[in-house]
Amino acid sequence: EVVLVESGGGLVQPGGSLRLSCATSGFFFSTYGMNWVRQAPGKGLEWLSYISHSGSDISYADSVEGRFTISRDNAKKSLFLRMDSLRAEDSAIYYCARDQSGGFGELDYWGQGTLVTVSS
Amino acid sequence: SSELTQPPSVSVSPGQTASITCSGDKLGDKFVCWYQQKPGQSPVLVVFQDTKRPSGIPERFSGSNSGNTATLTISGTQIVDEADYYCQAWDRSTWVFGGGTKLTVL
Repeated sequence: EVVLVESGGGLVQPGGSLRLSCATSGFFFSTYGMNWVRQAPGKGLEWLSYISHSGSDISYADSVEGRFTISRDNAKKSLFLRMDSLRAEDSAIYYCARDQSGGFGELDYWGQGTLVTVSS
Repeated sequence: SSELTQPPSVSVSPGQTASITCSGDKLGDKFVCWYQQKPGQSPVLVVFQDTKRPSGIPERFSGSNSGNTATLTISGTQIVDEADYYCQAWDRSTWVFGGGTKLTVL
């Protein structure tokens, strides 16, 4: 069974930093691209970042480029998102999601999400 | 980056067919997928590559994509299908979501 479990969310002050983790199991993590997607309270889904299976290919949404950094540790089957210079508008549930192998950008498995609140 | 436009809400009676649209420039040239999200839950992929269904997704869910519009169709809509639905497209290492449509079954 494919399982994705996010952690690391919490309350942080504006301008602060946070590192999210996504622990995975049930599939060969090192062969899949992975993504981070967020959802502000009562709002829609917003794609944030992608990292290829090897980590050699990375992309970001304009809204987080330069502030967020995606990374992965294939040995630990884990995905990370380092978030710096956080703003109130970054408050959201953050999901990690697997990129379907051989697909065209569809995200076939999602974690339960971790809540990030940016407030003083 | 491209924008995808969905109607904020769609209503349907149980047993009827629900259609949710997703519009974007030359969307038919890209593959579109659809997610279902129920309150307090994570999104679930229900249609991918325009027309395909993941295993475990009921046959009443289908999709199409042509021109500038992709459509998610739910035939014989059930009460359990009430949820938010999001379209998504992928283009040059950029993922774009539509704004979401709240499907009400009443």
